[in-house]
Amino acid sequence: EAQVTQNPRYLITVTGKKLTVTCSQNMNHEYMSWYRQDPGLGLRQIYYSMNVEVTDKGDVPEGYKVSRKEKRNFPLILESPSPNQTSLYFCASSAHRGWEKLFFGSGTQLSVL
Amino acid sequence: AQSVTQLGSHVSVSEGALVLLRCNYSSSVPPYLFWYVQYPNQGLQLLLKYTSAATLVKGINGFEAEFKKSETSFHLTKPSAHMSDAAEYFCAVSDKGGSEKLVFGKGTKLTVNP
Repeated sequence: EAQVTQNPRYLITVTGKKLTVTCSQNMNHEYMSWYRQDPGLGLRQIYYSMNVEVTDKGDVPEGYKVSRKEKRNFPLILESPSPNQTSLYFCASSAHRGWEKLFFGSGTQLSVL
Repeated sequence: AQSVTQLGSHVSVSEGALVLLRCNYSSSVPPYLFWYVQYPNQGLQLLLKYTSAATLVKGINGFEAEFKKSETSFHLTKPSAHMSDAAEYFCAVSDKGGSEKLVFGKGTKLTVNP
């Protein structure tokens, strides 16, 4: 089954403790991206990747890092999380330029205390 | 830079009534436009997309949207609302073949009353 898998589904952490949210897709998609969803703000793109070792900033990249060492994986790294990074995070992938059809993961609800 | 404005953060309709969710975009180049739906506690799924073919786009679950370049709009409609349409809807724009940024609107929550 074609899918984007994110882990964990829920995460509670404390300020400053490094964490990684994993994302993996099994569709051999070149394009992957991360979003955060906040009430009243919709989804905002954090980072995206167009292929292995090719990443670029979205609209809200501050405080986040990503890597794309393999085509299927695109982890999101928070080196020093802060409470304003408490949010619902989604990973997505697409086979097409311009994000013609995005496949979304189920989301990761992160709380930073 | 692209931007999306969704007019109305909440829309309420009666079952069987017309659904109209408004989206206006700004883009310096011909855009791709999308509508996504999010049901409670779920990820987003694509309803429909405009990628420069027909300006009237039909999607899943009876939804359609019309791309109007002169009005920079991409409004979502459904002739007859069903209770199962209650969800949050997001309009999004991307830079066709350009920067690969994807910008979402803030969302419109649709309530369907019996």
